[in-house]
Amino acid sequence: QVQLKESGPGLVAPSQSLSITCTVSGLSLTSYDISWIRQPPGEGLEWLGVIWTGGGTNYNSAFLSRLTINKDNSKSQVFLKMNSLQTDDTAIYYCVRVGGDHYFDYWGQGTTLTVSS
Amino acid sequence: QIVLTQSPAIMSASPGEKVTMTCSASSSVSYMYWYQQKPGSSPRLLIYDTSTLASGVPVRFSGSGSGTSYSLTISRMEAEDAATFYCQHWSGYPLTFGGGTKLELK
Repeated sequence: QVQLKESGPGLVAPSQSLSITCTVSGLSLTSYDISWIRQPPGEGLEWLGVIWTGGGTNYNSAFLSRLTINKDNSKSQVFLKMNSLQTDDTAIYYCVRVGGDHYFDYWGQGTTLTVSS
Repeated sequence: QIVLTQSPAIMSASPGEKVTMTCSASSSVSYMYWYQQKPGSSPRLLIYDTSTLASGVPVRFSGSGSGTSYSLTISRMEAEDAATFYCQHWSGYPLTFGGGTKLELK
């Protein structure tokens, strides 16, 4: 069955960078696009970006200067890196499979990130 | 960017009651997508392409709309439907989500 699982550091100090890994199973990264979405505590959902099957990316312009998404197809892993973290980057970070054309049909459990000194 | 406004922000319904929530887009979108999220869980896809039920979604859920106005309807409220619902578009970048409608059981 399709599974996505995020793993991240949990706690990061302000101004530092974040790296999260999404490991997928039951799907091939050469067949499905993967997006990253985050959700601050008690708030709604915010799309960060997408990595296409061919490796190209599209980012939310609000994060363009500090966000990188890449992947390793052979390891079935997708990576998110975000620089210059601030306290308002505290959120649950989800990796999500893009189904059909433009929706999210499988979600990881999410990894919680706290930005604090 | 296209802003999605969901209303109401909070609502309650009794078992068996019909529930309708709306999602208004600041510009016309091609399709709308809907998700359900329960506390402590990841969102779940409910409806795609405006009106198609995702796999395993009960038939009491339905979606409709076009242009800038979309809605999600539950024909008869059940206790397990209590959750927060989000709409989402992908008619241009960045794709965005609505702020959510929290549905409570009365």
